[in-house]
Amino acid sequence: QLQLQESGSGLVKPSQTLSLTCAVSGGSISSGNHSWNWIRQPPGKGLEWIGYIHHTGSTYYNPSLKSRVTISVDTSKNQFSLKLSSVTAADAALYYCARIRSSRWGDLDVWGQGTTVTVSS
Amino acid sequence: DIQMTQSPSSLSASVGDRVTITCRASQSISNYLNWYRQKPGKAPNLLIYAASSLQSGVPSRFSGTGSGTDFTLTISSLQPEDFATYYCQQTYSSLSFGQGTKVEIK
Repeated sequence: QLQLQESGSGLVKPSQTLSLTCAVSGGSISSGNHSWNWIRQPPGKGLEWIGYIHHTGSTYYNPSLKSRVTISVDTSKNQFSLKLSSVTAADAALYYCARIRSSRWGDLDVWGQGTTVTVSS
Repeated sequence: DIQMTQSPSSLSASVGDRVTITCRASQSISNYLNWYRQKPGKAPNLLIYAASSLQSGVPSRFSGTGSGTDFTLTISSLQPEDFATYYCQQTYSSLSFGQGTKVEIK
């Protein structure tokens, strides 16, 4: 059974870079035509898609975050990562990684449990 | 950008009730619409994809309809585990979610 697990810096200072990693287990990140996503949820609010990466390395980002986001993949470690630069208090959220099952429908069928990021000096 | 608007933002219902949630897109998205349920403190869970296809393992009380700009998620008989927040998601152009609909116990 495929599982995703987020990890990384839970506390980030304003203006610094947030770094998170999503470890994939129970399957290969390179198998199938899946895309690997980052999604966030500020406390008490809705879901915001950040972007995704295909195992080939192609990426697609939310236009509203594109200038600050980098998503990368390490197929040898079966994981992918998020970097978000110049963070502010507005970037404090629960960050999820998730898999898109079908490139046609963009359905997110497997999610990690999420990791909380706090932005504070 | 395509904006997704859900209605209502919240509703109160009882176990056994039939519940309908609406999602409207700011432009036509064909049937590139998915639905999720998010229980408190948990990650979202895929219910419906391609507007009307039931995800494997999801109870048949959940159904989705719609195409173009207007979509609905129906729960035919609300169960205790269905008190949660529901999100629609469009993937026609980029990817975006509705603001959510919270289903509460009456």
